Amino acid sequence: DAKTTQPPSMDCAEGRAANLPCNHSTISGNEYVYWYRQIHSQGPQYIIHGLKNNETNEMASLIITEDRKSSTLILPHATLRDTAVYYCIVRSPTSGTYKYIFGTGTRLKVLA
Amino acid sequence: GAGVSQTPSNKVTEKGKYVELRCDPISGHTALYWYRQSLGQGPEFLIYFQGTGAADDSGLPNDRFFAVRPEGSVSTLKIQRTERGDSAVYLCASSLAGGADTQYFGPGTRLTVL
Repeated sequence: DAKTTQPPSMDCAEGRAANLPCNHSTISGNEYVYWYRQIHSQGPQYIIHGLKNNETNEMASLIITEDRKSSTLILPHATLRDTAVYYCIVRSPTSGTYKYIFGTGTRLKVLA
Repeated sequence: GAGVSQTPSNKVTEKGKYVELRCDPISGHTALYWYRQSLGQGPEFLIYFQGTGAADDSGLPNDRFFAVRPEGSVSTLKIQRTERGDSAVYLCASSLAGGADTQYFGPGTRLTVL
């Protein structure tokens, strides 16, 4: 599975968009990009995933560059409850186990 | 609907003791995963079940760790002769059919070995 690189921490003002970057320069053609977040003392929460096209759901938007070597998770209007560690994961659907390989993530702090 | 549940939420034990951690996956999910998360780190894969069988146990750190899923639903992670280094949060996740299906995580069990 490809490795991901994320900044260790970011701050964002409440009500503003939070843009969380992720580099995955060794991604293969069939590997998906997944985003999860982990609020303190809870299990990881699924946010969104994508392969090539940009994706949007009720929680966030995922922008994947054309060469697929990086992506950005966008929280359009961050609230204090979005303070969490955000994990970017690249996962191959063809690997036998389909396990996730987590990095250390980005600790996002939303400021009032 | 109900999510993944894990019991107990916290477990404190003494070095050398045996512990069992339980995971109840989302109803109907055939795939189940165990992960371990140390302080300040992302979760690390331990074992993957597809139905009743352990399809991949390559993440289990040593033979003190064992997991079962006898009826293809509830799973138990068992740790023998616990060591202080086993202290961590143990997370369980399930997905509908394995493969590329999204995994949904439980709240975890915090294990502390004194």
